[in-house]
Amino acid sequence: GAGVSQTPSNKVTEKGKYVELRCDPISGHTALYWYRQSLGQGPEFLIYFQGTGAADDSGLPNDRFFAVRPEGSVSTLKIQRTERGDSAVYLCASSSKAGGGNEQFFGPGTRLTVL
Amino acid sequence: GQSLEQPSEVTAVEGAIVQINCTYQTSGFYGLSWYQQHDGGAPTFLSYNALDGLEETGRFSSFLSRSDSYGYLLLQELQMKDSASYFCAVRDPNQGGKLIFGQGTELSVKP
Repeated sequence: GAGVSQTPSNKVTEKGKYVELRCDPISGHTALYWYRQSLGQGPEFLIYFQGTGAADDSGLPNDRFFAVRPEGSVSTLKIQRTERGDSAVYLCASSSKAGGGNEQFFGPGTRLTVL
Repeated sequence: GQSLEQPSEVTAVEGAIVQINCTYQTSGFYGLSWYQQHDGGAPTFLSYNALDGLEETGRFSSFLSRSDSYGYLLLQELQMKDSASYFCAVRDPNQGGKLIFGQGTELSVKP
């Protein structure tokens, strides 16, 4: 079956611009996570959705970052007034179990470059 | 807080056995996971240990010692395709199951 998909695969933007990153989780997965990965580092947690609600947004670095999941499936990560330090790979993961279970399924990521 | 430490890189030859260690400091513990990530690819789940001991899945095995806050991933009969980054991670179910990852170990398999 289809795995987690993310679009776009690459996004280049200028400092100060607004970007949206999309995640399509595996069908039926209720838990959805966003992570950010810088070069040579492990993924860092940003936000967790259980269904439509953001159950844990403690990893969002500041109020420029926001994410939604209005129908409990597709999620969009939104970054306002982008900064060069936002450049990273943004990963989305989903799981069939609330609380993540033992396995999270990751998408290929969106590589964001802020010039 | 939670932190994990693993070696930054390991090199081995085809056919050999390699062990990637991971030590962790956590406030509460609900299992140690391992993920593999090829260059430019998605992290993919390899194994999960909640209890002490060895879990074997084909050429890969994972070990956990909760008393030592220590685990390792053992890769046997190394193949060139095993060249990748390997991450240990702990799960925090009190916070919705988010994963806290180590910095990753880059494994290079040489012919």
